[in-house]
Amino acid sequence: RKEVEQDPGPFNVPEGATVAFNCTYSNSASQSFFWYRQDCRKEPKLLMSVYSSGNEDGRFTAQLNRASQYISLLIRDSKLSDSATYLCVVNTRTGGFKTIFGAGTRLFVKA
Amino acid sequence: DAEITQSPRHKITETGRQVTLACHQTWNHNNMFWYRQDLGHGLRLIHYSYGVQDTNKGEVSDGYSVSRSNTEDLPLTLESAASSQTSVYFCASSDGDRGADEQFFGPGTRLTVL
Repeated sequence: RKEVEQDPGPFNVPEGATVAFNCTYSNSASQSFFWYRQDCRKEPKLLMSVYSSGNEDGRFTAQLNRASQYISLLIRDSKLSDSATYLCVVNTRTGGFKTIFGAGTRLFVKA
Repeated sequence: DAEITQSPRHKITETGRQVTLACHQTWNHNNMFWYRQDLGHGLRLIHYSYGVQDTNKGEVSDGYSVSRSNTEDLPLTLESAASSQTSVYFCASSDGDRGADEQFFGPGTRLTVL
């Protein structure tokens, strides 16, 4: 089992739709969590950090469920410009440092 | 503006040659990282550094080496390039406690080993 798993998609949605991605992680000692966005052939860029209480940034909402060991990303009112790959990132601090990136979920938003 | 740069952006080399990829950041971040990204895999950590003279092996370090002689630079060297090292390489940096914070990525280097 991979340490961080994401549904690779692709998710094909129309503009204005709401779409949700989940990401599961295997290490219960994981401490910090992020969602990154990566456009085709570009570098990953931080979309948002994920806090235990959940957090929102405009149309984007991230949540953490420690009991079930997953994080989620909800995108409301999808825009064409949201088309990208979304990477789940988990930091674990047991012994040495460890940052694990999920393989990503591809999203296509269509007009 | 502070930034992180990589050079070259594209490189074609032959099997067995030594190759060095440069990474330079102007944020004064203590932590720097090298990843490779291949289809079907997420970003995989090659080497990382928490500060000057500090280097550590990541998940896929075989065949790669790094050195950290100053805060700004973490060059990645492929001692004897192999076709399996054809990939896109990303450098990243972060502030804070030994990698707990968000990472900022360079634009990537696309390496082809023939």
